[in-house]
Formats: sequence, C-alpha cells, structure tokens
Amino acid sequence: AQRVTQPEKLLSVFKGAPVELKCNYSYSGSPELFWYVQYSRQRLQLLLRHISRESIKGFTADLNKGETSFHLKKPFAQEEDSAMYYCALSINTGTASKLTFGTGTRLQVTL
Amino acid sequence: NAGVMQNPRHLVRRRGQEARLRCSPMKGHSHVYWYRQLPEEGLKFMVYLQKENIIDESGMPKERFSAEFPKEGPSILRIQQVVRGDSAAYFCASSPSTLEQYFGPGTRLTVT
Repeated sequence: AQRVTQPEKLLSVFKGAPVELKCNYSYSGSPELFWYVQYSRQRLQLLLRHISRESIKGFTADLNKGETSFHLKKPFAQEEDSAMYYCALSINTGTASKLTFGTGTRLQVTL
Repeated sequence: NAGVMQNPRHLVRRRGQEARLRCSPMKGHSHVYWYRQLPEEGLKFMVYLQKENIIDESGMPKERFSAEFPKEGPSILRIQQVVRGDSAAYFCASSPSTLEQYFGPGTRLTVT
C-alpha cells in the first residue's frame, strides 16, 4: 500500500535561513507527488507538483526515486511562508486519482 | 469562479444524530473527492464520485457513511448515527478530470 511520511511535525527557522521540509514515500508504481500548503484560516492549496518541475514562491522539490523522497526546499525563508505543509502522493488508476497525504509539517518562520 | 464551496463550515451533532455535509464543486468540474482529517493526522481519502456515480469508495467506513453526487445540486456526505470518533474535519475537492484537485475550506464536525 502507498504511504507518505513527513517526519517533522514542526519546523522552526529564522527568517532568511534555508528551509527543507522532508517527505518520503512508499509506492510500488510510478508516483505523482505534490506539495500542498495551508495558510492560517485558508483552504488547502496546491503549491507545486513534481511533473511540472517549477518553482513557486521560491520553493522547489525534486523527486528522488532512489531515496523515495520529495523534499521541499527554499533557500531563504520569509515570514509569510509560515503555514502547514502537506506532501501528497497521487495514484491514478485511470478511473480515479486519489491523494494519499502525509501528516503535515508546520513551518514557523521567526524573526 | 468562486472555488469549491462547503457548508456548513462547522457542525455540532449529538451522538446518534445524522450529519449532512455539502460540497459544491467548481464550475465545470464533474469529479468530487471527499477526505477526512482526524486530529493530528493527514487527510485520508474517503470516496470519489462523478455525477450520479460512485467511482471509488474504498476509503469509506462500511457502515453509517454514504455519499452522493446527483445530477443537479451539491455532493452530499451523510453520516448516520454519529459517534464521537466521527469528529473530524471533512474536506471536499473537485477536479475537471483525474488530475489536479481543488479543495474546499472543509467542514468541522463535532460530536458531543
């Protein structure tokens, strides 16, 4: 069965410091991986997906199939990055595309 | 486009009552997904529906839970005879296809 692990419940960094939010997955097939973000009092929204290989709000994530990881990185944290971040794995069966989420990591950026 | 709408945002029910959660997908989206988030856990898939059809209900508890997405109107997640363990945040997502999902703000169900 597929599984997504985010080992850190809380990550606290200073403004301007680098950020790495860890995500590991287990899935026997070819995964599609996503990072979702939830800012305070807002709905869950897609931050980025691995197949698009783009940088959103300065964040990047590279899929490492050898290590089964999809860590989210940003070189310089900003206060507005403080939020809950969820890594998710999509399994597309052709008829459905359900997401399996990790438990989330709260990123706290302090001055 | 107003985005995915869910109502109510907060719902309090006593044990044994019924809970009805509504989800209006984004305009043009015919795919609806329901997820449940228990305290301190990630979102867990419950059910995937298209108009008038349940496509995948592998994450739904076998008893008391049901979902529908009629031809007209919102998708409904129905929980009969609620118990304390049903207290959670329930999220709906919609999609125009089997790709990217757009989430609603969630309904927080509290069972007293």
